[in-house]
Order: sequence, then C-alpha cells, then structure tokens
Amino acid sequence: DIVMTQSPLSLPVTPGEPASISCRSSQSLLDSNGYNYLDWYLQKPGQSPQLLIFLGSNRASGVPDRFSGIGSGTDFTLKISRVEAGDVGVYYCMQSLQTPTTFGPGTKVDLK
Amino acid sequence: EVQLVQSGAEVKKPGESLKISCKASGYSFSNYWIAWVRQMPGKGLEWMGIIYPGDSDIIYSPSFQGQVTISADKSISTAYLQWSSLKASDTAMYYCARRSGSYPHYYGIEVWGPGTTVTVSS
Repeated sequence: DIVMTQSPLSLPVTPGEPASISCRSSQSLLDSNGYNYLDWYLQKPGQSPQLLIFLGSNRASGVPDRFSGIGSGTDFTLKISRVEAGDVGVYYCMQSLQTPTTFGPGTKVDLK
Repeated sequence: EVQLVQSGAEVKKPGESLKISCKASGYSFSNYWIAWVRQMPGKGLEWMGIIYPGDSDIIYSPSFQGQVTISADKSISTAYLQWSSLKASDTAMYYCARRSGSYPHYYGIEVWGPGTTVTVSS
C-alpha cells in the first residue's frame, strides 16, 4: 500500500494569516498521463469530509481560491492564503493512484 | 440536487449481522463509483472499498476484504455495506461517498453522505 504522511499533525492558525500543510507519499503519485492522483479533503467538526482539491492542484466546485494545491510525485502542499475561522477542522490528503486508496493521518487545524 | 442519504444509527451486539444503506438521488446511480469509508471514534479516515453499480464491479481494500460485503441495487439507487458477525472493533462512523470520473478522468470524491454510526457493544 502507498503510505501517506502529513505534517504538521496539529496546526494552530491565526485568522488572516497564511497556512500550509505538507503531504508525502511513499511512492510517486504521478501517473503516466501526467496527472498526480492526490486529493485534499477537509472534515469540519461534526461534519462529513468535503473535497477541496483533486489531482493535486484542481480546486473543487465552490472551493474559495484561498485554497491551493501544489506539488508533484511524492511531495504535495495545501496552502491557505488567508485563514478564516470557518477553515478549522482536520485536513486529509488522499491518494487514488493505486488500490487501495489511502489517506494521510490528518492535520488538525484550529485557531490560536 | 445530488445527494447520498444513509440509513440511521445502529446499536448492535457482538456476533450480530448488520446491513447499512446509502441511497443516491439526483444523478445516474449506475454511472458513478460509490466508496465506503470508515472513521473510528476520534480517528482518521480509512478506505474500505468501492463499487461500480453499473456492473457491480467491487474493489476491496485488503484490510477489509472478507470482513465486510459491499453491494448495490441499481433498481433502487442504493448501495450497501454489510457485516455477518459484528465485533466491538467495528464501532465507527461509516460514510458512503461518490467518486466522480473514471480513469484517466478523475474529479475526486465529490459527494459524501452524512454517515451512519454503528455501535457494537454487549
């Protein structure tokens, strides 16, 4: 299985400030078609996960442009340009290149 | 509106069987993969498996192969997750979710159900 790791696992943030989360995979997620099969999800407290970014850098419908995904191969980063109070929750990266799909352990983001 | 509606919370005893459901609406159920994801109390997300209702193609995560059964009834746009003999360690929230796109086109796990809480306790 492809092992996903994230850092940090806990991230206190200040509203209005930028934030970033790193995700690494044990194998390259870059497919021969040129796409990185890496998604980012946010699970807000008490809610189901929601898709933020797919294929490494594509924002899902309705996701503010404050969120961006960069990276390729085994190293990826989710960036939030200006954190808002509503961004708190647990952020997960997930690879779908190989079966079984695997998630990172999650990064808990809360306000300072 | 695309929606996944999951069955209600369950409280069961060890050894009992259980089948939970995920009813889709607002789209062509047969044409999208439906995944099941486990979240144990206070823990992260775990991929259990995925089914393509159009032809009932199923891919299980090795960790869950033989532990659960995934199925779908496209006539009623419903996917299922079932256990034949529950254990206390099956206590968790279970989400169904729709995956959009088929290789090479992929658009993420766009739609998630609200989750079904399963509690297994003697």
